[in-house]
Amino acid sequence: AQSVAQPEDQVNVAEGNPLTVKCTYSVSGNPYLFWYVQYPNRGLQFLLKYITGDNLVKGSYGFEAEFNKSQTSFHLKKPSALVSDSALYFCAVRRGGFQKLVFGTGTRLLVSP
Amino acid sequence: IAGITQAPTSQILAAGRRMTLRCTQDMRHNAMYWYRQDLGLGLRLIHYSNTAGTTGKGEVPDGYSVSRANTDDFPLTLASAVPSQTSVYFCASSVSYGSQGVDEQFFGPGTRLTVL
Repeated sequence: AQSVAQPEDQVNVAEGNPLTVKCTYSVSGNPYLFWYVQYPNRGLQFLLKYITGDNLVKGSYGFEAEFNKSQTSFHLKKPSALVSDSALYFCAVRRGGFQKLVFGTGTRLLVSP
Repeated sequence: IAGITQAPTSQILAAGRRMTLRCTQDMRHNAMYWYRQDLGLGLRLIHYSNTAGTTGKGEVPDGYSVSRANTDDFPLTLASAVPSQTSVYFCASSVSYGSQGVDEQFFGPGTRLTVL
């Protein structure tokens, strides 16, 4: 069975500092990995995805994620955090042969001014 | 461009009552999904549809039913609501469903449902 783990319930970072939100996965075969962001009282918005190819994936709003097969990780990163990045972030893995996504439990990112 | 709309925005419902959550998309996406979001559990798939006329069960289908009469609409029905169905419900869609496509899902704004 496919699964993802987000080990941190919350990540705190000061504005201007780099941020990392962690995600590890478990899947048979090649993983298809996604990051989504959720702002308060809103639906999820797609940030980026890894399918194949370059291990460093660039996405929306300056975010990027690094796929590491040996560590089964897909951490979300941004070189310089903004207060407006404060939100709930979800990692997800595609399950089976279809588009059924399995989501992690989410990590709340709090960027302080 | 509306994307995905959901109705109602929120609802308080007595246990045992029937409730239908509405979802409409205007992107002509083939695949649609219903998730519930609960604190500490993330999002869990309830039901999905890979194309109009077909539906399938997700991780937590019990107590819910769906239909897909056309491409745009994907209503979720709670036949007899119970307090454990208190949650935030999200509808989503994607262009395709098959293994050839790995496109992202687009989410609606959600429906907050409280069952008393």
